[in-house]
Amino acid sequence: RKEVEQDPGPFNVPEGATVAFNCTYSNSASQSFFWYRQDCRKEPKLLMSVYSSGNEDGRFTAQLNRASQYISLLIRDSKLSDSATYLCVVNSRNDMRFGAGTRLTVKP
Amino acid sequence: DADVTQTPRNRITKTGKRIMLECSQTKGHDRMYWYRQDPGLGLRLIYYSFDVKDINKGEISDGYSVSRQAQAKFSLSLESAIPNQTALYFCATSPGTGGSNSPLHFGNGTRLTVT
Repeated sequence: RKEVEQDPGPFNVPEGATVAFNCTYSNSASQSFFWYRQDCRKEPKLLMSVYSSGNEDGRFTAQLNRASQYISLLIRDSKLSDSATYLCVVNSRNDMRFGAGTRLTVKP
Repeated sequence: DADVTQTPRNRITKTGKRIMLECSQTKGHDRMYWYRQDPGLGLRLIYYSFDVKDINKGEISDGYSVSRQAQAKFSLSLESAIPNQTALYFCATSPGTGGSNSPLHFGNGTRLTVT
């Protein structure tokens, strides 16, 4: 079993749609959590950290469920520019583990 | 200008050749990392360094070595390249302060092909 698992997608949604991604992790001692965005052939860039109480940044909402060991990312009012691969990252004692990513395509 | 710069951007080499990938940063971060990315596998950690005198193996260090020449420079070497080392390689940095909550800042990647 992979330490960090994501649905690879692809998710194809129309502009304006709401889309949610989940990510599960196996290490219960994990301490910090992030969502990164990666455009095709580019480097990953931090989208947002995920806090225990959940957090929101504009159209993006991240949630953490420690009991069930998953994190989620919700994107509201999808834009064409949201098309990318979204990487879930879980950190345990400075050992950052990446999910393989979920690919999102937003269509006009 | 990029804060984390990798050279070369692309490299094609033959099996058995020694190759070095270089990374330099202007962010003043103490921590530096080398990852490789393969389709369907996500990024996997090769080596990391928390300061100039510190080198640590990551998840997949076999076949690789690193050198932290200065706070700003961290190079990755493949002593004898093999085809399954064909991948996209990323260098990353983090500040260290903030502990495990510090996110990573990535370079623009090196696409390596071993024939």
